[in-house]
Amino acid sequence: EADIYQTPRYLVIGTGKKITLECSQTMGHDKMYWYQQDPGMELHLIHYSYGVNSTEKGDLSSESTVSRIRTEHFPLTLESARPSHTSQYLCASSGLGELFFGEGSRLTVL
Amino acid sequence: AQSVTQPDIHITVSEGASLELRCNYSYGATPYLFWYVQSPGQGLQLLLKYFSGDTLVQGIKGFEAEFKRSQSSFNLRKPSVHWSDAAEYFCAVGAGSSNTGKLIFGQGTTLQVKP
Repeated sequence: EADIYQTPRYLVIGTGKKITLECSQTMGHDKMYWYQQDPGMELHLIHYSYGVNSTEKGDLSSESTVSRIRTEHFPLTLESARPSHTSQYLCASSGLGELFFGEGSRLTVL
Repeated sequence: AQSVTQPDIHITVSEGASLELRCNYSYGATPYLFWYVQSPGQGLQLLLKYFSGDTLVQGIKGFEAEFKRSQSSFNLRKPSVHWSDAAEYFCAVGAGSSNTGKLIFGQGTTLQVKP
């Protein structure tokens, strides 16, 4: 069973609010990722990190930002949420040729 | 550019029947291929992966997939479907074993199982 945790699981928030989606893993993986998934659609990579103080943007442009101050922690932040940010955000880490996913954070911006 | 196509958006099969989910990829080099399953409200779980070697790979929950380079396909199969297999299935391609996290995903196939 994968040890990667995301909070909150569900969040409904008003436009303009700042939000942070938390992601933590206890597997000691250096590589971590954020994917965005709209309903009925494929996952798109929005951010990744190969270690502490390393962050890169993924294939899909996103207004969110990430940080990697500790190996186990990879939070995603939206400074000013908009309805277009409504989506599911999946955090993952990789090791031994496998990608382990958290259960996702479903964000709704009103 | 890399891409993954899952031609079937929705498939319904009867419990006990066989299953095949199609996946076609576009990639310039030897692909690293994956199948993931997502149950409602959950994250994705790896079913199986192909990196090299035997083109028929076995996975968890009785699933298998066959890599066919000539057809650029990596179809997922199961001989007898169980009601608990109802879920969303995603095929994905990666750039290499060092990049197993940077994947290109297909749109997914929703599997419904009839009793």
